[in-house]
Amino acid sequence: DQQVKQNSPSLSVQEGRISILNCDYTNSMFDYFLWYKKYPAEGPTFLISISSIKDKNEDGRFTVFLNKSAKHLSLHIVPSQPGDSAVYFCAATQASGGGSQGNLIFGKGTKLSVKP
Amino acid sequence: DVKVTQSSRYLVKRTGEKVFLECVQDMDHENMFWYRQDPGLGLRLIYFSYDVKMKEKGDIPEGYSVSREKKERFSLILESASTNQTSMYLCASSPWLGSNEQFFGPGTRLTVL
Repeated sequence: DQQVKQNSPSLSVQEGRISILNCDYTNSMFDYFLWYKKYPAEGPTFLISISSIKDKNEDGRFTVFLNKSAKHLSLHIVPSQPGDSAVYFCAATQASGGGSQGNLIFGKGTKLSVKP
Repeated sequence: DVKVTQSSRYLVKRTGEKVFLECVQDMDHENMFWYRQDPGLGLRLIYFSYDVKMKEKGDIPEGYSVSREKKERFSLILESASTNQTSMYLCASSPWLGSNEQFFGPGTRLTVL
């Protein structure tokens, strides 16, 4: 059973507009969330993260929002650029104790296409 | 900068061959991971290791084994490659404490004919 879900396999936006990528999780023990970006034929690279003690984290054009009650997070990219076209993976972990010991649970990814 | 390297970017093998995928990290990380990535399935964890000579099964260990004889090196072994193991294989590492971020290598695209 999927613990981290990215229900949109793909998203297409116009350059300069906002991209919103969504992620839902089912395990209430998850307390740390990450977004990774992956270009074809390359490994994923870390983009931004958020701890469950926050509801928002911002880094330049990228902002992640966390709604713990809804078990939902979203990644906002403003403004979107053609170079942002990639697959974005949401990941979650139980950072505080537990047996996961650094294991990340990944969603299936959303392919973002930013059109010029 | 953390560097995770994988021995091959592209590999073509025949069914039944024994395949070794090597991964090396240079940041003295305790944790190392092997994933495979398939379209529509995301990243699935095959095996991971917390320390030298230690290994744990991930979500899809069947058909794979691993070896970690040195801290910096984590090998994935396909004992008898099959066509359904054609995939992108990704290695990652992370420190034991202080960070939840995993650092990924560039991946190995394995094709089994």
